[in-house]
Amino acid sequence: KNQVEQSPQSLIILEGKNCTLQCNYTVSPFSNLRWYKQDTGRGPVSLTIMTFSENTKSNGRYTATLDADTKQSSLHITASQLSDSASYICVVSGTMTTDSWGKLQFGAGTQVVVTP
Amino acid sequence: DAGVIQSPRHEVTEMGQEVTLRCKPISGHNSLFWYRQTMMRGLELLIYFNNNVPIDDSGMPEDRFSAKMPNASFSTLKIQPSEPRDSAVYFCASTQEGPAYNSPLHFGNGTRLTVT
Repeated sequence: KNQVEQSPQSLIILEGKNCTLQCNYTVSPFSNLRWYKQDTGRGPVSLTIMTFSENTKSNGRYTATLDADTKQSSLHITASQLSDSASYICVVSGTMTTDSWGKLQFGAGTQVVVTP
Repeated sequence: DAGVIQSPRHEVTEMGQEVTLRCKPISGHNSLFWYRQTMMRGLELLIYFNNNVPIDDSGMPEDRFSAKMPNASFSTLKIQPSEPRDSAVYFCASTQEGPAYNSPLHFGNGTRLTVT
């Protein structure tokens, strides 16, 4: 079972509107949670990185939240633009221990389409 | 900084042929990853190098796949012999520290491999 689940799988929004993407994870112990944006035909690009002590982080019109107690994160896109059309991937890293190097666990992504 | 550089951008080959994918990480980064992305399985880790040493190769599908990192500025992923099921986009990524730390992962733009 995937340790990182994202919802919805896809969504269509009108330009200028807001939207929120969800990420639930079971990775434990937890080190950090990342959101990436992947444009078609390109590699993923980092949007935010949060540790367990952070509950919100912004990058322009992108705001990520984290609730480490419930193991949930969200990515909010404000005033969407056509260039926001992409796949958004939630990635979680465990802590580095004697048995683990903190391998990144990837969600399947949410495909966002912004229409004029 | 030019970012992570991958070559070739596209590769089309016939089943049974040898394929070599190349990656130049960002200067100063000590961790390098090879990922494979397909529609069905999303992003999958193939191998992780730290300071040029393979740390985790559990994701390498089978003996047909091999990866090397002869120095801090170059890595290769080789498939021999290639099969149609190897068709995917292969990404190289690097980071300044291991993933359990909070430095972002920088991805190249990938190599799209098609095996006919």
